[in-house]
Amino acid sequence: QKEVEQDPGPLSVPEGAIVSLNCTYSNSAFQYFMWYRQYSRKGPELLMYTYSSGNKEDGRFTAQVDKSSKYISLFIRDSQPSDSATYLCAMSEGDTGRRALTFGSGTRLQVQP
Amino acid sequence: SQTIHQWPATLVQPVGSPLSLECTVEGTSNPNLYWYRQAAGRGLQLLFYSVGIGQISSEVPQNLSASRPQDRQFILSSKKLLLSDSGFYLCAWSPTGVGQPQHFGDGTRLSIL
Repeated sequence: QKEVEQDPGPLSVPEGAIVSLNCTYSNSAFQYFMWYRQYSRKGPELLMYTYSSGNKEDGRFTAQVDKSSKYISLFIRDSQPSDSATYLCAMSEGDTGRRALTFGSGTRLQVQP
Repeated sequence: SQTIHQWPATLVQPVGSPLSLECTVEGTSNPNLYWYRQAAGRGLQLLFYSVGIGQISSEVPQNLSASRPQDRQFILSSKKLLLSDSGFYLCAWSPTGVGQPQHFGDGTRLSIL
């Protein structure tokens, strides 16, 4: 079993839809949770960064962490064609300088105009 | 603001040839530095990380090596490339400190012929 599970998609939605992206994990020591967006042939771009359980909102993006269920989500409101990309979740036990982020394999999102 | 530069963007090399990929970070001091490889449809695999000049930790045994000759410079090398070394290589940096997120360059797409 992988430490972090993420549905690869593709997930296809119409423009304006609310998108829900999810990851589950098995390591209860994870404390820091991140979402990255990766366009084709580009490096991942940090979208959201949260510590422990709870919600965090930034514009059209909301990140949720439920540590009791070992489940994290990213919601995108009013999705746009420019949101079409691969979304990677990542998590860390603590000091990322000494222990790498553990990534999901990514979910490919397609927003249809 | 901090920026990360990675080059070249694309590289085609014959089997058995040497490799040198370079990554530099601007706008910060004493960053933690990372090299990842990303296979198609899969997550990111950490290859090396460094918490300071000359300090390199390897995550997986392989045909590659890394060096950090200066504070903000990270180099990925190989003496003799294998076909299996093909892939998308990403450099990343993070500030020192607990739970800091990582920030990625735009990657090098390496094809071995």
